Amino acid sequence: DAKTTQPPSMDCAEGRAANLPCNHSTISGNEYVYWYRQIHSQGPQYIIHGLKNNETNEMASLIITEDRKSSTLILPHATLRDTAVYYCIVRVGSNAGNMLTFGGGTRLMVKP
Amino acid sequence: DVKVTQSSRYLVKRTGEKVFLECVQDMDHENMFWYRQDPGLGLRLIYFSYDVKMKEKGDIPEGYSVSREKKERFSLILESASTNQTSMYLCASSPFTGELFFGEGSRLTVL
Repeated sequence: DAKTTQPPSMDCAEGRAANLPCNHSTISGNEYVYWYRQIHSQGPQYIIHGLKNNETNEMASLIITEDRKSSTLILPHATLRDTAVYYCIVRVGSNAGNMLTFGGGTRLMVKP
Repeated sequence: DVKVTQSSRYLVKRTGEKVFLECVQDMDHENMFWYRQDPGLGLRLIYFSYDVKMKEKGDIPEGYSVSREKKERFSLILESASTNQTSMYLCASSPFTGELFFGEGSRLTVL
């Protein structure tokens, strides 16, 4: 799996968009970008994933650059409940045998 | 909604005891995983399974074993618990598209 680089922490004002970057310059053509988050003392929560097109769901949007070497997770209107550690992972999507490794992630603090 | 249920939220065991952690998913996923999470070390994969009765070692399998007798159930076993196995244990399941769905976690303390 390709290595990812994320800033260790970010702040965001409540109600504003939170833009979380991730670099994955060694990503392979068949690797997807996945985002998860973990709120304190809870299990990680799947947010969104994509291959090369931008994706949007009820939680967030994922913007992947054309060269696929970086991506941005966007929480359009951050709330205090979005305070969490956000993990960006790249891996081949299909089937297991793929071990998934979580790195350090970005600790997002949403402030009132 | 997707549901992964872990049998115990909190457990306290003594050194040398046998510990069973059970995980059940209701999504008919083929793939299931056990991780442990420790401060400063992130999530580390212990074992995973891509089919009934199949298992593969992850990064830190020593001291653990697993059982997958039914598709929906994946159990983690500590044959003889030790204090360095005090941790948060997380179970996850995954469809073929690769996204992981985690349970709430089981916090194990070994005294």
